[in-house]
Amino acid sequence: TQLLEQSPQFLSIQEGENLTVYCNSSSVFSSLQWYRQEPGEGPVLLVTVVTGGEVKKLKRLTFQFGDARKDSSLHITAAQPGDTGLYLCAGANNDMRFGAGTRLTVKP
Amino acid sequence: GAGVSQSPSNKVTEKGKDVELRCDPISGHTALYWYRQSLGQGLEFLIYFQGNSAPDKSGLPSDRFSAERTGGSVSTLTIQRTQQEDSAVYLCASSFRGLVNTEAFFGQGTRLTVV
Repeated sequence: TQLLEQSPQFLSIQEGENLTVYCNSSSVFSSLQWYRQEPGEGPVLLVTVVTGGEVKKLKRLTFQFGDARKDSSLHITAAQPGDTGLYLCAGANNDMRFGAGTRLTVKP
Repeated sequence: GAGVSQSPSNKVTEKGKDVELRCDPISGHTALYWYRQSLGQGLEFLIYFQGNSAPDKSGLPSDRFSAERTGGSVSTLTIQRTQQEDSAVYLCASSFRGLVNTEAFFGQGTRLTVV
């Protein structure tokens, strides 16, 4: 059983569409991070959210941390083929646990 | 180098053999993590080190798996009597002190294939 549940598991969309992916848990985290992983590489950090209700924006990406610090969402506006990859959320307390990821494909 | 280094990058081994995977974290990083990633899957937590001690070993899949870290730096993950289900990419990450508001940096992984 995953500590962090990510949905959807797979997502294939056309360039220009918007999308939201979710990360849910029954546990409370000190912080939650989103990583992106490309084939053959290790995950790379996109953002860290710490405060319940926090919203962070990174260009076309908007990240939100739930009020109870148990869940998070990632919204991408006007997706581009370069956004293709595996998006992983990670919850941190004393260690760091990852969800199974959302594999996003953006078709030109 | 400036990043997390893992070796070997690829390892093919026969079922039943022992293998040792190495991780060189970024200098000064006190926290070190091992994860396993099967093809097309997310990251499975294996073990976490803070300095040389491992507060949580509960992620190790079986007693065939062990890990150590010496000098607060290099870590080795050992798999004894490898099985085909051990085939995966083994990723190591390090971070400076605790995890709240700090970034974990990943190596490129060791791809292990058990034949």
